[in-house]
Amino acid sequence: DTGVSQNPRHKITKRGQNVTFRCDPISEHNRLYWYRQTLGQGPEFLTYFQNEAQLEKSRLLSDRFSAERPKGSFSTLEIQRTEQGDSAMYLCASSPVGGAVTGELFFGEGSRLTVL
Amino acid sequence: AQSVTQPDIHITVSEGASLELRCNYSYGATPYLFWYVQSPGQGLQLLLKYFSGDTLVQGIKGFEAEFKRSQSSFNLRKPSVHWSDAAEYFCAVAPQGYSTLTFGKGTMLLVSP
Repeated sequence: DTGVSQNPRHKITKRGQNVTFRCDPISEHNRLYWYRQTLGQGPEFLTYFQNEAQLEKSRLLSDRFSAERPKGSFSTLEIQRTEQGDSAMYLCASSPVGGAVTGELFFGEGSRLTVL
Repeated sequence: AQSVTQPDIHITVSEGASLELRCNYSYGATPYLFWYVQSPGQGLQLLLKYFSGDTLVQGIKGFEAEFKRSQSSFNLRKPSVHWSDAAEYFCAVAPQGYSTLTFGKGTMLLVSP
């Protein structure tokens, strides 16, 4: 399978714990995006990378959230001191640079976080 | 700030009937416009996109959408719905030249036999 891969697919944690999600994009894609989707809502933009550079961050990305893409390949999204409001599906998407401008993002299946 | 409105949360259509899903956007200039579909257990998939030119765009799986500047709308249509079309559909916009998408809240399509 050469699509966007996200792990873990499901994570249940207790409030206050830290969690980390990983995204492996399509190999030739140099842009990588993180979105969050809560029940009844569409995906909301969090941040994106071009290669290893984080080019844009949403106001939704509080200081408890940090995303990295150290070698311009896979990315991690860490949430520290989780809160119940962090419960959501975290979506990763990738695209080639041209594709990014054209809006054709290739999404993974998402990582669902439940904070108890 | 740009926004996307999908006024219908749920729509039920009989198999074989036609479909129209509504999308309205609010933005100063004409943005790039997209429709994505999310099937259960699958990632979002791009159905079609509009950048400029012909206001009727064709997409995958027999879908089409029409851009109407005067109405700030980009409605999705399909002449004959199949049971496999049951999914959630999202309209999205992006400012021209930018890659960050703003999504609507989605419309859940149910297909009845």
